[in-house]
Amino acid sequence: DSGVTQTPKHLITATGQRVTLRCSPRSGDLSVYWYQQSLDQGLQFLIQYYNGEERAKGNILERFSAQQFPDLHSELNLSSLELGDSALYFCASSVVDGGAQFFGPGTRLTVL
Amino acid sequence: AQSVSQHNHHVILSEAASLELGCNYSYGGTVNLFWYVQYPGQHLQLLLKYFSGDPLVKGIKGFEAEFIKSKFSFNLRKPSVQWSDTAEYFCAVNAHNNDMRFGAGTRLTVKP
Repeated sequence: DSGVTQTPKHLITATGQRVTLRCSPRSGDLSVYWYQQSLDQGLQFLIQYYNGEERAKGNILERFSAQQFPDLHSELNLSSLELGDSALYFCASSVVDGGAQFFGPGTRLTVL
Repeated sequence: AQSVSQHNHHVILSEAASLELGCNYSYGGTVNLFWYVQYPGQHLQLLLKYFSGDPLVKGIKGFEAEFIKSKFSFNLRKPSVQWSDTAEYFCAVNAHNNDMRFGAGTRLTVKP
């Protein structure tokens, strides 16, 4: 158990819908990272927040957005969902920028 | 842009065989380097990390990795693998710009 929690574990939805994935970092970690893992794309970095502020952006689509709240939990919002958005979405946290990241169990999103 | 290459997509070994998984990256500046392991159906777990100092780093479960700056490499090794090492292994590089890049992963299958 890494100390990073993610909800829900599984999510099944339809194309065009919007979903919100939630992540709580390890106690004391200020950075939260979001990743998408799919068979064809591998593990892709989406976005990072540090203490409430966006820190770095990776391959995140415009339909996706995220935020980090004052209590440091983070939410990833995925809208206008497409079949290709079906993937595992991982959240990770670290104490400092560039440090070792600890991953949550992931949310498996299935878009039908 | 930085990139990470893992040369072996799938490695099959018998128990007690020695393991070496290759990882090369393309960033010329200072980097932090990581190896993560993902057991079937689980999230990524940190195996080991290199930030600075001794280029030979030891991680959990008997794994080690050697950073060779001149070769832009960070290969993972284990002298004697076990069936329980069957998993996917990811090399990752953070070039201090908070954009963590992961390799495509190497699937290791250890035959009992």
